[in-house]
Amino acid sequence: KQEVTQIPAALSVPEGENLVLNCSFTDSAIYNLQWFRQDPGKGLTSLLLIQSSQREQTSGRLNASLDKSSGRSTLYIAASQPGDSATYLCAVRSGTASKLTFGTGTRLQVTL
Amino acid sequence: GAVVSQHPSRVICKSGTSVKIECRSLDFQATTMFWYRQFPKQSLMLMATSNEGSKATYEQGVEKDKFLINHASLTLSTLTVTSAHPEDSSFYICSVPRSFSYNEQFFGPGTRLTVL
Repeated sequence: KQEVTQIPAALSVPEGENLVLNCSFTDSAIYNLQWFRQDPGKGLTSLLLIQSSQREQTSGRLNASLDKSSGRSTLYIAASQPGDSATYLCAVRSGTASKLTFGTGTRLQVTL
Repeated sequence: GAVVSQHPSRVICKSGTSVKIECRSLDFQATTMFWYRQFPKQSLMLMATSNEGSKATYEQGVEKDKFLINHASLTLSTLTVTSAHPEDSSFYICSVPRSFSYNEQFFGPGTRLTVL
């Protein structure tokens, strides 16, 4: 059974700092890994999708890496802003069809 | 990206009543949709896979008679929480996979259910 863990559970940084969020998964036989952002009481916004054959994806200030063999992914946020404050979830697609297994999330707060 | 809508966004009901939540894919047709549940400060857990024209597939531990799913058309799936109880209070989110490859999923904005 796939299990996804995210570290840290919560993180507070001052504006402008670069930061790294970590995601690990137990079964390396994945199709892809997706990073999402969730604002309080809201749905999910897809940030980056990395296919199993890829090692990283970039979008603006965000960079996600994938090391499938070790079961790890990182989300790098450059020059953080207060608007980046949210919960960040990683999810891996593995096994049958398109089942996604979500991590527990990292609650990020960027302070002024 | 694809647009997925949910209705209602928030519902409060009395214990014992039934609540229907709609999930619509606005950009493309979807033979499959997914329903997730998220309890406070926890991650999303897949409840069931909604299949157009056939029965839904439920995850282990999810009661199919309590959470009725109807995939009425290629753009609409509904989740009915029957005889709701306070422990059913949660955030329910649907998702629609991109085409046949299921490569990426697009999520609705979610429905907050509170059962008194």
